[in-house]
Amino acid sequence: SQQGEEDPQALSIQEGENATMNCSYKTSINNLQWYRQNSGRGLVHLILIRSNEREKHSGRLRVTLDTSKKSSSLLITASRAADTASYFCATGRTDSWGKLQFGAGTQVVVTP
Amino acid sequence: DTAVSQTPKYLVTQMGNDKSIKCEQNLGHDTMYWYKQDSKKFLKIMFSYNNKELIINETVPNRFSPKSPDKAHLNLHINSLELGDSAVYFCASSQTPSGGRTDTQYFGPGTRLTVL
Repeated sequence: SQQGEEDPQALSIQEGENATMNCSYKTSINNLQWYRQNSGRGLVHLILIRSNEREKHSGRLRVTLDTSKKSSSLLITASRAADTASYFCATGRTDSWGKLQFGAGTQVVVTP
Repeated sequence: DTAVSQTPKYLVTQMGNDKSIKCEQNLGHDTMYWYKQDSKKFLKIMFSYNNKELIINETVPNRFSPKSPDKAHLNLHINSLELGDSAVYFCASSQTPSGGRTDTQYFGPGTRLTVL
């Protein structure tokens, strides 16, 4: 079964706008990761946030984690056409030996 | 200088055939994975190997047999292919999970398998 669920399923914005997507999960986690997948390509790791962290930044990306609500959000600021991709959250548990549970993804389209 | 590579990129074959997908990583990682992504983009782990030993086997039909000749390679052999096997298969690698935890994974470009 899917651990993470992203919301919205799809998002269409103009260049320069911010894009926010959310991820909810069901069980306790050790960390939560966000990945990007361009059409027809493999997944690229964006950011990892550990269960004892609340917020993390990487360039134009900001990730928050609320373990009490079992949810995370990914914010992309000042979006560019090159940000057009599917974004996936993935959760890892302490006893999972590398097993990541992925959500269904949010498809983001950024138009110039 | 590709980090995780897979061959072939596309594979079109008939039902009942046997096929293999190869994966190699040059990141020096000890752990490698196979994932299946279906037409709705759900990505699900199938197997993981650590130092050539099977660590995770996610109730995948035994028609799927992974093989790791060394820690830089993890191949996937599929016997008696079925229509439902059509998907994109991704290989990934990571550092050895510390204390059983997860770490950043690096994905290959994927192999799109179409079974006719």
